Amino acid sequence: EVQLVESGGGLVKPGGSLRVSCAASEFTFTNAWMSWVRQAPGKGLEWVGRIRTNTDGGTTDYAAPVKGRFTISRDDSKNTLYLQMNSLKTEDTGLYYCTTIPLRGMPLVVATTGVWGQGTLVTVSS
Amino acid sequence: DIVMTQSPGSLAVSLGERATINCKSSQSVLYSSNDKNYLAWYQHKPGQPPKLLIYWASTRVSGVPDRFSGSGSGTDFSLTISSLQAEDVAVYYCQQYYSTPPTFGQGTKLEIK
Repeated sequence: EVQLVESGGGLVKPGGSLRVSCAASEFTFTNAWMSWVRQAPGKGLEWVGRIRTNTDGGTTDYAAPVKGRFTISRDDSKNTLYLQMNSLKTEDTGLYYCTTIPLRGMPLVVATTGVWGQGTLVTVSS
Repeated sequence: DIVMTQSPGSLAVSLGERATINCKSSQSVLYSSNDKNYLAWYQHKPGQPPKLLIYWASTRVSGVPDRFSGSGSGTDFSLTISSLQAEDVAVYYCQQYYSTPPTFGQGTKLEIK
């Protein structure tokens, strides 16, 4: 079964940094465009950013609220996705999901599109 | 950015009855070159990750019960549950993937009446 498992969440002070990870198994991670999506407490879903496959250039895009502060990277040799979060703000608090949601231009492979991890909780508070 | 607006914000339907959730995009998500609507629907239950139900506005994901159906084109879309079951209680989201950033509706909370 295709699986994504996030880790690395925790409590961090405003202005601090944190890196969360997402380990993929049972699918060809190398071929997957990966996204991070977050959900603030009591709120809806918000796309954070995306990284394309290295074959497609490995390029990244970010939502406006996190651009310049967050960086997405991938290590295909480890089947792992990363989200480096710097200059964290209280409004960054939430559950962070690793996912393969449909995206414009992404090859939509039925078996591996729309997969979500369980999420990792990031709390930014003094 | 494309703004996705769902209605209603919450909905209470009796077991066995039809439930319809609407989603409107601020601009068309229909790509004329392939005649596809870049619209997906998700079901989100407490304590679980969201689950993809439908993509291309009307293509049901394998394993999703056929009581779930998606319809619409351009800017107006609907998710219909033909006969509500207890396990369908959840928050439902639409998402456009026509342009970057992909954006979600604010969610519709579906409950049993």
